[in-house]
Amino acid sequence: DAMVIQNPRYQVTQFGKPVTLSCSQTLNHNVMYWYQQKSSQAPKLLFHYYDKDFNNEADTPDNFQSRRPNTSFCFLDIRSPGLGDAAMYLCATSRHYGDGGYTFGSGTRLTVV
Amino acid sequence: DQQVKQNSPSLSVQEGRISILNCDYTNSMFDYFLWYKKYPAEGPTFLISISSIKDKNEDGRFTVFLNKSAKHLSLHIVPSQPGDSAVYFCAASVGGAGSYQLTFGKGTKLSVIP
Repeated sequence: DAMVIQNPRYQVTQFGKPVTLSCSQTLNHNVMYWYQQKSSQAPKLLFHYYDKDFNNEADTPDNFQSRRPNTSFCFLDIRSPGLGDAAMYLCATSRHYGDGGYTFGSGTRLTVV
Repeated sequence: DQQVKQNSPSLSVQEGRISILNCDYTNSMFDYFLWYKKYPAEGPTFLISISSIKDKNEDGRFTVFLNKSAKHLSLHIVPSQPGDSAVYFCAASVGGAGSYQLTFGKGTKLSVIP
């Protein structure tokens, strides 16, 4: 089945230790998105790629970076995680912008200790 | 400042009855609205959408109503089934169905009681 896969499902990292979250897709969609969702809050867009074009949201902290080495994979790098970065990180894809709805992965829950 | 508000964190409904989930928005530029459904340990899945040129869109048991003057939309599920128990997110965008940026609400947890 075509899908969006996020690894790992749960990630524990130490305060200040770089961590990378992974997302892959078999849908061949052009757009990949990273959302951050903190407890009891709405998902918040961090950035997205349209093909290789990177688009950063204005209020996304510099601590967050992303890489998309090819169509199928997209990575979220947190350079120096703080306690406030503990959240669920959701990857989503769409064929083009909007396109009637995104396809989300199951998310990676990040804990910072 | 929340532009999309789901004021009810949770809702319980008896199986077979109607579930009504509400969503209010403050940005009058929003012109495309979506509902997503999320089960525990899974990502949100797209459910139904509506453009601001319409006031109703129906898909099986799911109907979304849009009241632009009130900046309010609602999702009706009839009849409700236990499998509908999930968190429902309302989302909105500017620029129609082709916009990349969705603004989400915090979600409403629906429990359908058998």
